[in-house]
Amino acid sequence: DAKTTQPPSMDCAEGRAANLPCNHSTISGNEYVYWYRQIHSQGPQYIIHGLKNNETNEMASLIITEDRKSSTLILPHATLRDTAVYYCIVRVAGGGADGLTFGKGTHLIIQP
Amino acid sequence: DTEVTQTPKHLVMGMTNKKSLKCEQHMGHRAMYWYKQKAKKPPELMFVYSYEKLSINESVPSRFSPECPNSSLLNLHLHALQPEDSALYLCASSRPTGRNTEAFFGQGTRLTVV
Repeated sequence: DAKTTQPPSMDCAEGRAANLPCNHSTISGNEYVYWYRQIHSQGPQYIIHGLKNNETNEMASLIITEDRKSSTLILPHATLRDTAVYYCIVRVAGGGADGLTFGKGTHLIIQP
Repeated sequence: DTEVTQTPKHLVMGMTNKKSLKCEQHMGHRAMYWYKQKAKKPPELMFVYSYEKLSINESVPSRFSPECPNSSLLNLHLHALQPEDSALYLCASSRPTGRNTEAFFGQGTRLTVV
């Protein structure tokens, strides 16, 4: 079973920041939080990952709470192309080729 | 080059056919994966190859037979499939160890079994 809980769907207006929450209350000390997204009929795409510090890259920012039991993915200026299913996954980084366990994810719909 | 290339993009096969799905990457990744995705469901892990050896088989039926002929190629051989095996088959690759082990996915092969 997936170790994360995400809302099934969210709407966001184009140009606004999209904030996607994820709960991972049973995360272990050596587990990272990864985010992927899957645009309709395409393969999943890696977005960002982090351990305990906030992370930012050209796609998004990841905010992890101090107790690491939840996190938020932020898309700062959402566009229509950001409409996708977003998956939050916890896993051990560098733990060998163990594959990914996907939960149901959040279907983010960007409204024009 | 950060691409994982899967061929064919679409495949229709009968239940008595034998076919193969192919996956290729040139990122030097030594871990490669097969996932299966049914409509409106998340991807499910099928097989993992690490350094060209099968390391994980998620209790996949034997009518699916993976093969990793070298570090860049991954095949999935299909034989005597059932209509319920119709799905999107995704290949992925990653570094097997280290901090940056994020997976790169191909666009998938959409398989229809008739």
